[in-house]
Amino acid sequence: EIVLTQSPATLSLSPGERATLSCGASQSVSSSYLAWYQQKPGLAPRLLIYDASSRATGIPDRFSGSGSGTDFTLTISRLEPEDFAVYYCQQYGSSLTFGGGTKVEIK
Amino acid sequence: QVQLQESGPGLVKPSQTLSLTCTVSGGSISSGGYYWSWIRQHPGKGLEWIGYIYYSGSTYYNPSLKSRVTISVDTSKNQFSLKLSSVTAADTAVYYCARSRDGYKWDYWGQGTLVTVSS
Repeated sequence: EIVLTQSPATLSLSPGERATLSCGASQSVSSSYLAWYQQKPGLAPRLLIYDASSRATGIPDRFSGSGSGTDFTLTISRLEPEDFAVYYCQQYGSSLTFGGGTKVEIK
Repeated sequence: QVQLQESGPGLVKPSQTLSLTCTVSGGSISSGGYYWSWIRQHPGKGLEWIGYIYYSGSTYYNPSLKSRVTISVDTSKNQFSLKLSSVTAADTAVYYCARSRDGYKWDYWGQGTLVTVSS
């Protein structure tokens, strides 16, 4: 099973700042089959990025994904108030597993 | 706009079978082209994929849960269901149903339902 480790666990930033979230895999994720989700309290996750760098329908372009192999990154170029949430990475190259999440909180 | 809604008991006794149903509206399961999944989230924790079903009935389960999981579909009611047997407190979680175009990433989710395993 591929284990995904997200860092940092918590990111404290101010609106307007740039957020960089990392997702490391215990082994290479084939074909960059990696997705990112946003989850707000009490709500279901929302798909942001798939195939490591493709934005899902309706996702603002301030969200971008990059990486390959074992290292992936989600970048939020300028944080909006509605972006403060928990973010999960998920790989689907070998079965399906999720990372433990990164909480982006208001500083 | 597709909508999914989970339903089922919120409390299940240890060793019993957890049963949930997801009702799909705004789209027909039998039209094909989508995979219908169950995903759970333990309280305050991360996400765990349980499995999916295609309208034809073909399934794929998380290997770690496979021995206890059954997912079925009822196209006449536009519903799909989850059964998880021999539950323990470790199965206490919010259970989500969700839709995927390929079985591997989900664009539409239900609101989730909390299932507590306790005597």
